[in-house]
Amino acid sequence: GDSVTQMEGPVTLSEEAFLTINCTYTATGYPSLFWYVQYPGEGLQLLLKATKADDKGSNKGFEATYRKETTSFHLEKGSVQVSDSAVYFCALNDFGNEKLTFGTGTRLTIIP
Amino acid sequence: DTAVSQTPKYLVTQMGNDKSIKCEQNLGHDTMYWYKQDSKKFLKIMFSYNNKELIINETVPNRFSPKSPDKAHLNLHINSLELGDSAVYFCASSRPGVREETQYFGPGTRLLVL
Repeated sequence: GDSVTQMEGPVTLSEEAFLTINCTYTATGYPSLFWYVQYPGEGLQLLLKATKADDKGSNKGFEATYRKETTSFHLEKGSVQVSDSAVYFCALNDFGNEKLTFGTGTRLTIIP
Repeated sequence: DTAVSQTPKYLVTQMGNDKSIKCEQNLGHDTMYWYKQDSKKFLKIMFSYNNKELIINETVPNRFSPKSPDKAHLNLHINSLELGDSAVYFCASSRPGVREETQYFGPGTRLLVL
């Protein structure tokens, strides 16, 4: 079945540091890939997505590239801010499944 | 204008009780979902409904019964609550059958069973 393996946290970085959160997946079909973010006490919000190989999703300075050859969708940001502190979830949607399969989430804390 | 709303936001109850969580979306989507997030933040699909019909039931105990009175609403009723049901429950919605479609999540209902 489908699965998502995500970098274990928690991750603590200083403000303006470079961020990478690794995500790899296994899927039976050709999935779409997503990053969702959950700020403290809130629900999930879509951060970015990519629907086919070599697509790059980007939003709020975050980027992730759909790499079919390595089955990866790593999240990156060049300079993090305190306001980026949240839990980040990698997820996939395999055609026809009509459900999201999530990774375990990575808690990110940015210190000033 | 909240796209996906849930009530209540917090729910504290005793073991053995029956409770319901309500979800409404105003996005005109045909598909709605319930997800459970445990204490370690792990998120897992519970149910999916498309236009009021159940399409996914991920081995959830039959104490959990979703009800969809219309395609804008998907309520979750839980009978005989157990300690292990304590979690955050998220409702979501999307257009159906389109794998690249974004799912929109509600703010969550934090359930604590004592």
